[in-house]
Amino acid sequence: GAVVSQHPSRVICKSGTSVKIECRSLDFQATTMFWYRQFPKQSLMLMATSNEGSKATYEQGVEKDKFLINHASLTLSTLTVTSAHPEDSSFYICSARAGTVDNEQFFGPGTRLTVL
Amino acid sequence: GENVEQHPSTLSVQEGDSAVIKCTYSDSASNYFPWYKQELGKRPQLIIDIRSNVGEKKDQRIAVTLNKTAKHFSLHITETQPEDSAVYFCAPTDSWGKLQFGAGTQVVVTP
Repeated sequence: GAVVSQHPSRVICKSGTSVKIECRSLDFQATTMFWYRQFPKQSLMLMATSNEGSKATYEQGVEKDKFLINHASLTLSTLTVTSAHPEDSSFYICSARAGTVDNEQFFGPGTRLTVL
Repeated sequence: GENVEQHPSTLSVQEGDSAVIKCTYSDSASNYFPWYKQELGKRPQLIIDIRSNVGEKKDQRIAVTLNKTAKHFSLHITETQPEDSAVYFCAPTDSWGKLQFGAGTQVVVTP
């Protein structure tokens, strides 16, 4: 099956710093990538959708200036958490999809962010 | 937007018994209905999916049934094993192809 990687798997940072998370589709071209956040014992919450070469579309309540998304190529999307605070500590997961809207999404392994 | 409800929130079964989880949704434009299994700290893993042109799909001990008229689909696990213990999510897509995750069902299979 298709493989999606994420880097880093874990990151600990100080409050006020910025953190960049990379999501890569390793063996297919991802026309669309999605970013999710998951708090402990909760479901996945979609943060934003990004299509290669265009601006990301953010879900209601997600601050676009705080969570910067770049989808520069068909195999790479990045999420930057700017000026991170302890409440941003969460499990961030990306997924990638090729082709049409009913195609399977392939998930990355997730990034555990801890902000001190 | 899509309103997704998943029941039950927790499910304890004896090894060898069956487990059923139900998911209801509101968007009549939904066409893709996957079920994911997530173990603690891991990514969601697709275990079975169904599209709107079929009513049932089976893969060994796992099956999914879809009722588009009633807007619900269910996950069936037969002959449960301890390794089936995990959180299960339904995630029907909306008209934009975005997965709308249910709240999850914690399944515990006791030996």
